[in-house]
Amino acid sequence: AQRVTQPEKLLSVFKGAPVELKCNYSYSGSPELFWYVQYSRQRLQLLLRHISRESIKGFTADLNKGETSFHLKKPFAQEEDSAMYYCALSAISGYSGGGADGLTFGKGTHLIIQP
Amino acid sequence: DVKVTQSSRYLVKRTGEKVFLECVQDMDHENMFWYRQDPGLGLRLIYFSYDVKMKEKGDIPEGYSVSREKKERFSLILESASTNQTSMYLCASGSWEQLNYGYTFGSGTRLTVV
Repeated sequence: AQRVTQPEKLLSVFKGAPVELKCNYSYSGSPELFWYVQYSRQRLQLLLRHISRESIKGFTADLNKGETSFHLKKPFAQEEDSAMYYCALSAISGYSGGGADGLTFGKGTHLIIQP
Repeated sequence: DVKVTQSSRYLVKRTGEKVFLECVQDMDHENMFWYRQDPGLGLRLIYFSYDVKMKEKGDIPEGYSVSREKKERFSLILESASTNQTSMYLCASGSWEQLNYGYTFGSGTRLTVV
């Protein structure tokens, strides 16, 4: 079974400092990895996905298959980045007729950006 | 814009009651999911469905059941609510063709069982 580990429950950094939220996974197949973000009083929303190799709101994440990691990074934190961040893995199997088995989430990291 | 709508934002129910949580999506997605979100535990998959009348157990199905009679609607049922089911419940949907784009989540239903 797949697993996603986010080792930090809480991460506090000062505005303008670099941010790195760690995510490690275990999965025997080839995973699809995502970062989701939940701002205060808002719904959970997709931040970025590894397959697109994009930068969203200044955040990037690189899939490192050797280290089974998908860390989220931003060079200069902003106060509006304060939120709950979840790393998630999608394991698409064939037993359900090609359907998805759902995302497996880490426990989340609460990022606080101090002014 | 994909919309996933959960019928109630807050619910308070008594122990032993039968509880229905409703979720509707408007983008013709095949896949729908129910998660519960608890502090320190993240999101845990309860049940999912990849087609009408189809359902699969997730990681924590005990005490729950689901119903998917129409493609757009996925209901979570607590047959006999207990206090340990007090939680935030999130519904999500996704298209099989666009699984790489992740899922869209509803705003959540905060259920309190007293």
